[in-house]
Formats: sequence, structure tokens, C-alpha cells
Amino acid sequence: QVQLQESGPGLVKPSETLSLTCTVSAGSVTTYYWSWIRQSAGKGLEWLGRISISGHSNYNPSLKGRVALSLDTSKNQLSLRLISVTAADTAVYYCAREIFGALYVDVWGKGTTVTVSS
Amino acid sequence: QSVLTQPPSVSGAPGQRVTISCTGSSSNIGAGYDVHWYQQRPGKAPQLLMFGEHNRPSGVPDRFSGSKSGTSASLAITGLQAEDEADYYCQSYDSSNNYVFGTGTKVTVL
Repeated sequence: QVQLQESGPGLVKPSETLSLTCTVSAGSVTTYYWSWIRQSAGKGLEWLGRISISGHSNYNPSLKGRVALSLDTSKNQLSLRLISVTAADTAVYYCAREIFGALYVDVWGKGTTVTVSS
Repeated sequence: QSVLTQPPSVSGAPGQRVTISCTGSSSNIGAGYDVHWYQQRPGKAPQLLMFGEHNRPSGVPDRFSGSKSGTSASLAITGLQAEDEADYYCQSYDSSNNYVFGTGTKVTVL
């Protein structure tokens, strides 16, 4: 069964770039859409964006162009890059899988906590 | 910035039926996009609970059911059990090609 594991620095300084990786096990990144979703403490879920191997991607407009997703087929990984972070970007970040065209995610990673602080 | 509105909390005694509403707009639910539901237990990642209003992934009991009408959707839990205590989120898609989530509802079993 496919498993997703997020990784990356747990602490990022304000104005710097947050970079996270999601490693896909028992599955291929080429076969699905992949999303990043985050959740601030005690708050709801916020979708950040999605990407497929074809290069098609969508991003949450509320992030105002600060986010970029990419896929590395050689490592079977997806990556998230969020620039110019502020304390408001402190959250648990999840990667998740979407079957093509399903428009929902059926598998989630366990999440990784990122704190933005100096 | 949740686009879909849910009640903050609902509660019920074991065995009772509770419903969670999810209200959107003409650019998401009302545009014909499906509504999906996720369950999130404390300290855990969300899990897909229902997709396409009526469909349950393998392992999800049939105590959970969904419906949709116009710009709204609902999740019903019948025969409420202690293990159902969790946060529930609805999710749809919008005409700008974005996922949209609900504000989330905490279900408490009394």
C-alpha cells in the first residue's frame, strides 16, 4: 500500500524559504496528481497546490505566487517550496495523493511540523 | 481561508444520529463539483471518509452517509459511536481549479 512521508527542516526563519520533500513508497509519482495541504494549530485545512507528472499544476491564489511544487521521478519524491515565509506559515504540512481527475485526495502522509521563527 | 462553511461543533449521545452541513457557493458545490469528506482524529492526519457524496472507501462503516443539494452537502452519522469523536472536513473543487475545504466540525460523543 502506498505510503507518503514528509521531511524537511522543522524551523525556518522569517523571510526565508521553506522547502519540504515527500517520499512516495510502494507507488510511483508518475501515476497520480499530488497535493500539499497544511493545517495551522487548532485550525482547518488549507490546500496549497497540486502537480502531476505532465507538469500541470494549480496553486492556491491566496499564497500570491509564493509556492512552487515539483516532482523528482528518479527519487520518487515531490517537493514544496514556499518563499518569503512569515509566522502565518507555521503549520503541519501534509502531502497527499489524488487519483487523476478524482479531485479529492485518498492517501495522506503523516505530516511534518514547520515553525517559522527567528 | 476556508471557502466551505461547516458548523464548529455537533454532539450526540451514543447511538444517536448527527448531521454535519457544508455550505458552498455557485462556484464550487453549486457548479456541480462533488463533495468529499475527511475524518481527522486528534494528533493524526486526515483520512478520506467519503468521496463523491455517497461512496465510502474500504473499511468505512455504512453508518456514514452523504448527500448533496444545490450549493450544500451533508454528512450523517447514524448509530454514533465513541470512536466517531473527531474533526470532520468537507472538500470540493471550484471553477478556478482549486481545492476548497470546509471550516471543519468537531463531533463530540456525549
